[in-house]
Amino acid sequence: QKEVEQDPGPLSVPEGAIVSLNCTYSNSAFQYFMWYRQYSRKGPELLMYTYSSGNKEDGRFTAQVDKSSKYISLFIRDSQPSDSATYLCAMSGGSIIQGAQKLVFGQGTRLTINP
Amino acid sequence: IAGITQAPTSQILAAGRRMTLRCTQDMRHNAMYWYRQDLGLGLRLIHYSNTAGTTGKGEVPDGYSVSRANTDDFPLTLASAVPSQTSVYFCATSLDTSTDTQYFGPGTRLTVL
Repeated sequence: QKEVEQDPGPLSVPEGAIVSLNCTYSNSAFQYFMWYRQYSRKGPELLMYTYSSGNKEDGRFTAQVDKSSKYISLFIRDSQPSDSATYLCAMSGGSIIQGAQKLVFGQGTRLTINP
Repeated sequence: IAGITQAPTSQILAAGRRMTLRCTQDMRHNAMYWYRQDLGLGLRLIHYSNTAGTTGKGEVPDGYSVSRANTDDFPLTLASAVPSQTSVYFCATSLDTSTDTQYFGPGTRLTVL
């Protein structure tokens, strides 16, 4: 079983829809949770960062962490065609590699917002 | 330079050839990382460096080597490329390795024939 599971999609929704992206994980030691956005042929860019359980909102984006269920979500409100990208969840706090925090990524969900 | 640059952008390479992927940052971050991204497998850590002069192995280090002579540069070398090393390679940095937030370069698309 992978430490982090993410549905690769693809997910296609109409413009203006609310999008829900999710990851589950198995390592209860994870404490830090991130969402990265990756446009085609570009590097991932950090979108949201949360610590432990709870919600964090930034404009149209809301990140939600439920540690009891080992489940994290990213919600996008009023989705725009410019939100079309691959979204990767990432988390850490579970293990150290020779003194370095190990960041574990999900596979990424490919999202398309149709005008 | 703004952030992280990688070179080349893309490369086609014959199997058995030696190749160095370059990564340069101007953010004065202590930690640097190399990942490969493959369809269905996500991002996997190859090597990392806590600070200039130190390096460490990630999940998939075999066939790759790195060096960190200074803060800004972190080259990744494939001594003898094999087709299974066909991938997109990303360099990333973080303030230090206790910081979870990593920033990624634009990537190098490598094809080994």
